[in-house]
Amino acid sequence: GENVEQHPSTLSVQEGDSAVIKCTYSDSASNYFPWYKQELGKGPQLIIDIRSNVGEKKDQRIAVTLNKTAKHFSLHITETQPEDSAVYFCAARAGSYQLTFGKGTKLSVIP
Amino acid sequence: KAGVTQTPRYLIKTRGQQVTLSCSPISGHRSVSWYQQTPGQGLQFLFEYFSETQRNKGNFPGRFSGRQFSNSRSEMNVSTLELGDSALYLCASSLDRANQPQHFGDGTRLSIL
Repeated sequence: GENVEQHPSTLSVQEGDSAVIKCTYSDSASNYFPWYKQELGKGPQLIIDIRSNVGEKKDQRIAVTLNKTAKHFSLHITETQPEDSAVYFCAARAGSYQLTFGKGTKLSVIP
Repeated sequence: KAGVTQTPRYLIKTRGQQVTLSCSPISGHRSVSWYQQTPGQGLQFLFEYFSETQRNKGNFPGRFSGRQFSNSRSEMNVSTLELGDSALYLCASSLDRANQPQHFGDGTRLSIL
C-alpha cells in the first residue's frame, strides 16, 4: 500500500519567515495530494491540494509543489504569522482509494 | 453551508463496552470516510461508505464497523472496547469517491478507562 513520509516533525520559524514542509510517497499511481492544517481541539482543515497533472499551485501565502518523478511534494508558507501555528499533514491518494497521511509537522511561529 | 458534524464530541467508556459514533456529512456529500487519530499512529483510515455501501476498509479488527443511511449520515460502532481504542475518531465527507476533496469534522474524543 501507499506510504507517506513527512519531514520535519517539528518546525519553528520567526514571524515573517517562510516555512517548508516536505513529503514523499511510495505509490506511483497516487494522483491527488492534499494538505491539512489541524489546530488544537479541531479536525483537519483542507488548506490546499494538488493533482498529478499540475506541478505547482498557489493560494495567497500558501503554495504546493509536486515532483512526480521523485515522488515528493512540498508545502510552502510565506510571511508566516502566529495564526499559522498548528499541525500540518500531507496526504496522498491513488484514484478512489483512501487518503494515506504523513505523521504531521508541528509548526510554531514565534512572534 | 454547515460543515461535517460529529456527535458526541467527547465520550468516556470502560473496557468491554461498545460505542456508537455519529457523523452528518456536508449537505450533498455522498461519501463518508472514518479515520482514527492517535499520537503514536497518526491518522489511520478505518472505512469509507458511498451510497450506503462500504467501498473500502482499512486494517482494523472486526470490532470496528460502520454503516451509512439513505440520507448519507453515517455511524461507526466499536464493540468490546480496549484501552488502545482511546483516540480521536474523525469523519470526513466528499462529493463522491473520485479525487474530490475530503472535509473533516472536529471528531469524537473517545477515552477508555
